[in-house]
Amino acid sequence: DGGITQSPKYLFRKEGQNVTLSCEQNLNHDAMYWYRQDPGQGLRLIYYSQIVNDFQKGDIAEGYSVSREKKESFPLTVTSAQKNPTAFYLCASTPSDVSGDTQYFGPGTRLTVL
Amino acid sequence: QQQVKQSPQSLIVQKGGISIINCAYENTAFDYFPWYQQFPGKGPALLIAIRPDVSEKKEGRFTISFNKSAKQFSLHIMDSQPGDSATYFCAASKGGYSTLTFGKGTMLLVSP
Repeated sequence: DGGITQSPKYLFRKEGQNVTLSCEQNLNHDAMYWYRQDPGQGLRLIYYSQIVNDFQKGDIAEGYSVSREKKESFPLTVTSAQKNPTAFYLCASTPSDVSGDTQYFGPGTRLTVL
Repeated sequence: QQQVKQSPQSLIVQKGGISIINCAYENTAFDYFPWYQQFPGKGPALLIAIRPDVSEKKEGRFTISFNKSAKQFSLHIMDSQPGDSATYFCAASKGGYSTLTFGKGTMLLVSP
């Protein structure tokens, strides 16, 4: 089955801890994205990567970090610097970075800070 | 700065009725306008998309109407069904190497 997988589905973190959210795709897509979703806020772009070993900040990158060492993987680390990390995190990918390509989303990870 | 404004925030429609969700954008460089559907606890899925060279696109019960001069586009769901109850997001992107800008979403409830 081709698609995007995110793990874990639910994640609990204590304040002051860093956590890493996994995103893997076997669609051979070039571009990958991380979004944060809060109730009533829509989807806000955290980071995106158009090619391996390269990534750009989105609108709300503060307190987050990413890496893109492999085409199929784009992990997101939520650091202790992120003041309000409780949210639903979505990973997406597209075949290329050209406008008009459908973004395919993973099932999401719900992060809760205790 | 909200580049894509979506309304209403929530919508209740009776089964068989027409659901209409509207979006307005500011950036005239946008040239791709998709709509996504999201069920609770799931990731969004592309529903239908349009480019500015056409004023309407229809796929089954779903239609996008696009008004370039007014910088507005809307989603119409004909013969709405309870299974259509979900959150709908409009989005827009510019040409070339650009990302999607999303509206804040509309929660649709179709009553039986």
